Amino acid sequence: AQKVTQAQTEISVVEKEDVTLDCVYETRDTTYYLFWYKQPPSGELVFLIRRNSFDEQNEISGRYSWNFQKSTSSFNFTITASQVVDSAVYFCALSEANRDDKIIFGKGTRLHILP
Amino acid sequence: KAGVTQTPRYLIKTRGQQVTLSCSPISGHRSVSWYQQTPGQGLQFLFEYFSETQRNKGNFPGRFSGRQFSNSRSEMNVSTLELGDSALYLCASSFQRGAANTGELFFGEGSRLTVL
Repeated sequence: AQKVTQAQTEISVVEKEDVTLDCVYETRDTTYYLFWYKQPPSGELVFLIRRNSFDEQNEISGRYSWNFQKSTSSFNFTITASQVVDSAVYFCALSEANRDDKIIFGKGTRLHILP
Repeated sequence: KAGVTQTPRYLIKTRGQQVTLSCSPISGHRSVSWYQQTPGQGLQFLFEYFSETQRNKGNFPGRFSGRQFSNSRSEMNVSTLELGDSALYLCASSFQRGAANTGELFFGEGSRLTVL
């Protein structure tokens, strides 16, 4: 069965520090998709990134970067020079393309950026 | 363009009652998924509808049901409410279905249900 583990329940860092959110997944499929979503206090989840299992290239988007390592089944998310607006709950998610295509979310990491 | 709209945003019910939640997807989106979010269980998949047909269902009892209309709007219903049904119910839409096709879900702000 597919599973997503975000071991960090809550993290607090001071503004401008770098922070990494961990995500470990389990799947038996060779074709799968990984995602990160951000949930600000307003409630709606906002899509950040999608990565398929055949693309292990790391990705950088502004202050955000993602490190995908199949060898350790991890898809970690780093925020560089954090800002107060980055405070939110961040969810890692997994979908197995050869199965039922459900997107299964981890339990999330609540990130507090302190001014 | 307008985002995903969920109504009502907040509601309070008592045990044994039923509730209907509504979701209007982004115009042109045909897939609607529902998730239940609680502090203990996180985000759990309820079901997905595409072209008025349920395509996927999570591990929830039969008290949880849904449907999708021809205009892609969706409703979910919870009957015989229990205290444990208190949660934020999130709706998400996408143009196609399945992570292989889009992967990007657009979420509404949710309907927060409190069961007393």
